[in-house]
Amino acid sequence: GEDVEQSLFLSVREGDSSVINCTYTDSSSTYLYWYKQEPGAGLQLLTYIFSNMDMKQDQRLTVLLNKKDKHLSLRIADTQTGDSAIYFCAAPKRNFNKFYFGSGTKLNVKP
Amino acid sequence: DGGITQSPKYLFRKEGQNVTLSCEQNLNHDAMYWYRQDPGQGLRLIYYSQIVNDFQKGDIAEGYSVSREKKESFPLTVTSAQKNPTAFYLCASTFAVGVRNTEAFFGQGTRLTVV
Repeated sequence: GEDVEQSLFLSVREGDSSVINCTYTDSSSTYLYWYKQEPGAGLQLLTYIFSNMDMKQDQRLTVLLNKKDKHLSLRIADTQTGDSAIYFCAAPKRNFNKFYFGSGTKLNVKP
Repeated sequence: DGGITQSPKYLFRKEGQNVTLSCEQNLNHDAMYWYRQDPGQGLRLIYYSQIVNDFQKGDIAEGYSVSREKKESFPLTVTSAQKNPTAFYLCASTFAVGVRNTEAFFGQGTRLTVV
């Protein structure tokens, strides 16, 4: 099916690293995405990874992909209070125009 | 600038009324989507459309209707049959999902409240 699962909450202290995890069931996705949602707003693309890559780094963000285990993670280094938001992973099915999202992980950054 | 626009930002509905939420994109995207988000919950797919004059039900289509008469527009009607419509509604669009990178672009959302 299209199941994409994430843990619901994560709390870290400012300056620490945050790791948000996601598991998915459909292996046909060519690209996998991480989105950020701030309160009362739409989702904004943070980063994405091509399915034949294991890792992608983009400034403070590191995405790790384990295709065998269908596991995707997002690491945020030096987490700031402005990173407090809900983070969604997405694994759209190839050749199907359905874009399914995980339940979202609410990241709370304590000063 | 290209983007996706939802209107209105806030909408109030009386019991038994139909209301229509607007979603317009100028990104030349093929596919458009409507999601519902309840407090503390993720996104649930209501309807999606791959091309003009075609649309498919998502996971929670009951009580909703859509049309796709133009590539740029995908309005969502919340009918009186939807018993619990109070939620945050998000519209998104993408190129056809396939080999190339097709990130979803989102509107800023419409918050619908039943009064």
